[in-house]
Amino acid sequence: GQQVMQIPQYQHVQEGEDFTTYCNSSTTLSNIQWYKQRPGGHPVFLIQLVKSGEVKKQKRLTFQFGEAKKNSSLHITATQTTDVGTYFCAGIGSSNTGKLIFGQGTTLQVKP
Amino acid sequence: GAGVSQSPRYKVAKRGQDVALRCDPISGHVSLFWYQQALGQGPEFLTYFQNEAQLDKSGLPSDRFFAERPEGSVSTLKIQRTQQEDSAVYLCASSLMGTGWDEQFFGPGTRLTVL
Repeated sequence: GQQVMQIPQYQHVQEGEDFTTYCNSSTTLSNIQWYKQRPGGHPVFLIQLVKSGEVKKQKRLTFQFGEAKKNSSLHITATQTTDVGTYFCAGIGSSNTGKLIFGQGTTLQVKP
Repeated sequence: GAGVSQSPRYKVAKRGQDVALRCDPISGHVSLFWYQQALGQGPEFLTYFQNEAQLDKSGLPSDRFFAERPEGSVSTLKIQRTQQEDSAVYLCASSLMGTGWDEQFFGPGTRLTVL
């Protein structure tokens, strides 16, 4: 079945350093969504990408959707302690049933 | 406005007991999803409702798991004869549209521990 993989699993950075997490799907995705889960919290929607090659920015966060719509990345510039949490990508395959397949997540730790 | 709420927040069950987990989605949201999240993992899809219709239940791990949304709003996930491997956080999410192409709003989850 469809699988979504994320790397790295963990990332420790010094405050002010940049951070990137990568997401790869075994099949072409209709869309990709990114969520953030703080420790002890629940996933919170960040953004959705739909078009091949799409790039979207939210302040220090930059999201990309690959040309083949099988991979995506999230880049954070100049991390802050408030960026701590686990970042998940999630995609819908071609079936369009609403079934989101989540990656395992990348947990970001930021040292002040 | 109120977000997605789930109850109970924590549930401890003895192996073999039946449990029922409740989800109150955001009012007016068409779609409702149930996920299972094991420690250190991403949410795993269980089932999806569009209004009262269960359109996809391919993620339910066994026939011990049953979900319903009889009036198209509140949903209940029932697990019969719980097993230790059922221990996880059960997340409910709702979205405004019925296509799965819009953002999902997650509830706080129910942490189930089966002893």
